[in-house]
Formats: sequence, structure tokens, C-alpha cells
Amino acid sequence: GQSLEQPSEVTAVEGAIVQINCTYQTSGFYGLSWYQQHDGGAPTFLSYNALDGLEETGRFSSFLSRSDSYGYLLLQELQMKDSASYFCAMLNSGGYQKVTFGIGTKLQVIP
Amino acid sequence: NAGVTQTPKFQVLKTGQSMTLQCAQDMNHEYMSWYRQDPGMGLRLIHYSVGAGITDQGEVPNGYNVSRSTTEDFPLRLLSAAPSQTSVYFCASSYDGNTEAFFGQGTRLTVV
Repeated sequence: GQSLEQPSEVTAVEGAIVQINCTYQTSGFYGLSWYQQHDGGAPTFLSYNALDGLEETGRFSSFLSRSDSYGYLLLQELQMKDSASYFCAMLNSGGYQKVTFGIGTKLQVIP
Repeated sequence: NAGVTQTPKFQVLKTGQSMTLQCAQDMNHEYMSWYRQDPGMGLRLIHYSVGAGITDQGEVPNGYNVSRSTTEDFPLRLLSAAPSQTSVYFCASSYDGNTEAFFGQGTRLTVV
């Protein structure tokens, strides 16, 4: 089957670093994306990894290890506005290419 | 540039009624998807399309129909609404499956 696992909640201190892990299982994997969603809003794209390694975009970085079926999102210099839900999503095959989301990790940044 | 436009934003239906959620994008994207979001369940894929005339089922397709007659529009039809379909529905589009997906603002549907 196809599945993604990520922690449901994470709490971190303003200014600190937090890592949100995601493991996936699928027979046909193309890549892993990360999205941010604030309460009441729509998801917005953060990053996409198709190859192993680290992708950096400002304070956010995303990592993928295809051999371990594992990825993570790293948020540095946390700000209060980073409090949101973060979803990993995999592009996989099954019919045509489709994007399957995890359940999301609710990040709470505390002063 | 409007991006992805969903209508309506809010809707209340009675059990057994049918309705269509509209989704339109002006970015000439081939790839469009419908998701529903329920507390603790993340975003679950209902149906998706990889181009005009091509659709496929996602994880939770039962009770929903889609069609893609144009590149711009991807409506989602609820055939006979049930309380279990109370949810927030998001439409998304992207150039292809492995590029940034743009989401509409969502439709909050309540079935009573």
C-alpha cells in the first residue's frame, strides 16, 4: 500500500531549530514535497526533493533519503509565525502520477 | 493573476441533495486534484486529472464524480450528499505532479 507517517504535534521555542520527520511507503516513488498550512488557510508549497540530499530555501531545508524511505523538514531560527501545520506529500505512481499527503504535523512555537 | 479559484466558499446541504463544487485555474496547468480535509486525517485525494479528458480516482472517490472537459476547469460533483461528506474541500493545480501545487482557498461543506 501507500502511506506516509509524520508526528502529529511538535512544540519548539522561538529562535530554535526543529526537525519534522516523514517516512513513506509506496511501490512507485518519484519525490517528496512539503507544504505549510496556517489555521483556516490553504496549504502553500515549501519544497520538493526528487533526489537524495538537502535542499535549502532560506530558513527552511528539506532532506530526502530514498534508500531509507525517509525525509525531513528543518526549520531554523523559528518565528512565532511558523506556528502552523506541515504536511509531507509524496508523488507516486498508481494509474497516473498522483500526490498523496500525510496527516500533517502541527507545530507550535512558544516564546 | 487569479491562480486557483474555488466556489462556493461555504455551503450547507441537506442529506440526499446534489451539488457541484467549482474549481478553475488560469495558469494553464495540466495537473488538477481535489482533496478533502478532515480533523486528524490530513488531505485525502478524491480525484485527480493529468489533462483535459483524463481523470483517475484517488484514495476516497466514492460519492464523488469529476470530469475535465477543459484545461481550466475541474468541477467536483456530489451525487447524493451524506453527513460523512461534511468536510473542507481543496482544489489544487500544478504544471505536473512534481512541481509546486497551488491550492484554492477551500470550500467548507456541511451536510445536515
